[in-house]
Amino acid sequence: AQSVTQPDIHITVSEGASLELRCNYSYGATPYLFWYVQSPGQGLQLLLKYFSGDTLVQGIKGFEAEFKRSQSSFNLRKPSVHWSDAAEYFCAVGAGGNAGKSTFGDGTTLTVKP
Amino acid sequence: SQTIHQWPATLVQPVGSPLSLECTVEGTSNPNLYWYRQAAGRGLQLLFYSVGIGQISSEVPQNLSASRPQDRQFILSSKKLLLSDSGFYLCAWEEGTGVTDTQYFGPGTRLTVL
Repeated sequence: AQSVTQPDIHITVSEGASLELRCNYSYGATPYLFWYVQSPGQGLQLLLKYFSGDTLVQGIKGFEAEFKRSQSSFNLRKPSVHWSDAAEYFCAVGAGGNAGKSTFGDGTTLTVKP
Repeated sequence: SQTIHQWPATLVQPVGSPLSLECTVEGTSNPNLYWYRQAAGRGLQLLFYSVGIGQISSEVPQNLSASRPQDRQFILSSKKLLLSDSGFYLCAWEEGTGVTDTQYFGPGTRLTVL
């Protein structure tokens, strides 16, 4: 069965510093991978997704993620964090078109210090 | 463009009372639909999903039920709420072909059971 692990429950960075959120997955084939962001009290918003091709994926709000098959990782990065980036971030792995079988990580809460 | 609506946004209900949460999607046909729950500080728990009218799959046996009376309408119900039903309920849609596994989330309903 597929799985997603986000090792960091909570991360704190200073505004303007770089950010990397970790995501490790387990999946038997080439995965579809996603990062979502959730601001407090709101739904999840898709940041970016990887299906195939270039392993470095650009998303909204200045985020990017890199798929590394050898490490089973899909880490999210941002070169300079803004206070508005404080939120919860979820990594997810798709199920190759099988409804109801996508798997979400438990999330990483990002706090941004002024 | 596609939009997803959930209502109500906030709900406070006594233990033992019934529940009905509604989710509707616009701008797409035959979507896969999902209900998730987030307990405080926790990740996403998939409750139900549906690939078509009247087709409901339950992931976690519990005090809740779901129905899909129309193609773009998904309803979450309970006959008698429990304290443990409190949480943040999210509806999501996905293209019916399921090819991309990309889910789009509604704004959520905050349910407090007292």
